[in-house]
Formats: sequence, structure tokens, C-alpha cells
Amino acid sequence: GENVEQHPSTLSVQEGDSAVIKCTYSDSASNYFPWYKQELGKRPQLIIDIRSNVGEKKDQRIAVTLNKTAKHFSLHITETQPEDSAVYFCAASKSNSGYALNFGKGTSLLVTP
Amino acid sequence: DTAVSQTPKYLVTQMGNDKSIKCEQNLGHDTMYWYKQDSKKFLKIMFSYNNKELIINETVPNRFSPKSPDKAHLNLHINSLELGDSAVYFCASSETGPNSPLHFGNGTRLTVT
Repeated sequence: GENVEQHPSTLSVQEGDSAVIKCTYSDSASNYFPWYKQELGKRPQLIIDIRSNVGEKKDQRIAVTLNKTAKHFSLHITETQPEDSAVYFCAASKSNSGYALNFGKGTSLLVTP
Repeated sequence: DTAVSQTPKYLVTQMGNDKSIKCEQNLGHDTMYWYKQDSKKFLKIMFSYNNKELIINETVPNRFSPKSPDKAHLNLHINSLELGDSAVYFCASSETGPNSPLHFGNGTRLTVT
């Protein structure tokens, strides 16, 4: 099947610590892996993405790594701040899909001051 | 200047009624989508349209009927509403082609009583 598994479902860290969220996917044809942040009551917004020809990508405090052999990808947030608190979704492109995405079930991140 | 706009933002209705949600994007994208987010925050693709043509129908009951009058609009009509239809419905758009991020609307919270 075309599943995206995401762990953990909840994550609580102290301000300044790092947070890591991990995803695995099953569709070997997936080649695009975005991450979305959804604040309470708002729409999901893209924060970073990675394509299958790249193993790692970084944007300030956020980094994503991809291991296509193992079908794993991860989101790393360093120096977390209270405003990083939100639900984070990983996603993987669906093959034969008209470019739709399969989403993980989300990780609720809480950063405490 | 909202890129993907949905109306209404909130929709409260009784079981058995028929309702519609409208979506418009001004990004010039050719592909539009409807996603359903349930109470557990799971984002699931419902439909994908490319240039007014249906690409994906993800085993959605036929009470749900999308309509795309042009590539900038994708509306969702729901017949005979059921309690289980209560959710947040997100419209999204993307450029045509793989590896294109989704741009979400602000969502429509549908409550069926």
C-alpha cells in the first residue's frame, strides 16, 4: 500500500532543545517529501521539502534528511522556540496520482519555555 | 491577497441536507485538490483535478461530487450529509508536475448535527 508512518505522535521538548520527527514510506516510486506545519485552527503550511536526488537539506534551524534505500526521512528542528509548537506532517508523493501527497498522521510538538 | 480561498469558513447543518464548499486559487496552478482532515488531524486526499479533469477519486462516497468549472476553481458538493462527514475540508493547489508543493486554503469546518 501507499502508507506514510510518522513517529512520534506527540513530542514535548524544552525551549532550546532539538526535536526530531521520523517518517517511513512504502511507495518506492515516491520522490518528493515535503514537511508541513499546522498551527491550531490554521492551514498546513510548507516549511521544507526534499527531493529524491538529495540526501539532506537545511534551512536555518530546520533540516530534513532522506534515506531512499531504507525509505526513511526525518525532520530536525534545532534551538526550538515556543512558536515552533504546532502539528507537523510529513508527506510523500503518490505514484500514479496526479501529484497528490500521502500524509503521515502528524506529530504534535510542544515547546515549553 | 489570499492565494487559495475557500468559502464558507464554517458550515453547520443537519443530517440529510445538501451543502457546497467553494474554492478558488489565483496562483495560476493547473492542479487542485480536496483533502479531508478528521478529528484526529489525519489529512486524507479525496480528489485531484488537473486542468478541470478528475485525476484521483480516493474511494470517496458518491455523495461527494467535485466540480471544476475552470482550472482556478474546484467546488465540492455533498449530498445527504451524515454525522461522519463532520471534518475540516481543505482545498489545495499545486503546479502541474511531480515535486510540487501543495498550497492549502484556510479550510472549511463542517459540522453535521
